[in-house]
Amino acid sequence: QAQLEESGGGVVPPGRSLRLSCSASGFTFDIYPMYWVRQAPGKGLEWVATISYDGNYKYYADSVKGRFSISRDNSKNMVYLQVNSLGPGDTAVYYCARSDLEMATRVNDAFDVWGRGTMVAVSS
Amino acid sequence: SDVLTQPPSVSVAPGQTATIACGGDNIGSEGVHWYQQKPGQAPVLVVHDDSDRPSGIPARFSGSSSGNTATLTISRVEAGDEADYYCQMWDRKSDHYVFGPGTRVTVL
Repeated sequence: QAQLEESGGGVVPPGRSLRLSCSASGFTFDIYPMYWVRQAPGKGLEWVATISYDGNYKYYADSVKGRFSISRDNSKNMVYLQVNSLGPGDTAVYYCARSDLEMATRVNDAFDVWGRGTMVAVSS
Repeated sequence: SDVLTQPPSVSVAPGQTATIACGGDNIGSEGVHWYQQKPGQAPVLVVHDDSDRPSGIPARFSGSSSGNTATLTISRVEAGDEADYYCQMWDRKSDHYVFGPGTRVTVL
């Protein structure tokens, strides 16, 4: 059974950094694109970043481009999100999700496996 | 990037049918995916590519698309269907993914 588990969230003051981690299990990790999606308290879902199955392609939402960085380690079945220069607008639950298509690149794939999320709260 | 629109809320009596519309200029050229999110839980994919259901999703959940509107239909609504529902699609020009604002389904 495919599973994702996020970690690394916490309460941080504005301007600081965090590294969020997502551990994958129960499926062949290195053939799936992976995503980070966030949800501010009481708000809707916002796509944050994409990484291709091989790590060669990365895409970011305009709201985080230049501050966030997605990466993966296929030998460890892990995907990461480095979040820098955090501001109050970054306060959210951050979910890790998997593509429903193997080895997909630049296609209209859906997110078929989600973790439970890790909370990031930016507060002084 | 594309913008997707959804009604903020839909109310339905048990056993009746709920329909949730998702509007967007590029709907029709790309498929729409739908997610269900219950309070305190992660989203669950209920329909992908306009009308396909992942394994394990009841047949009461169905999707369709026509013109610039995609629709999620929940037949024979149950109390357990009460949740927020989000449509989503990929913007080919920007390689970004867009979610609709979400629709809260309330079972009366």
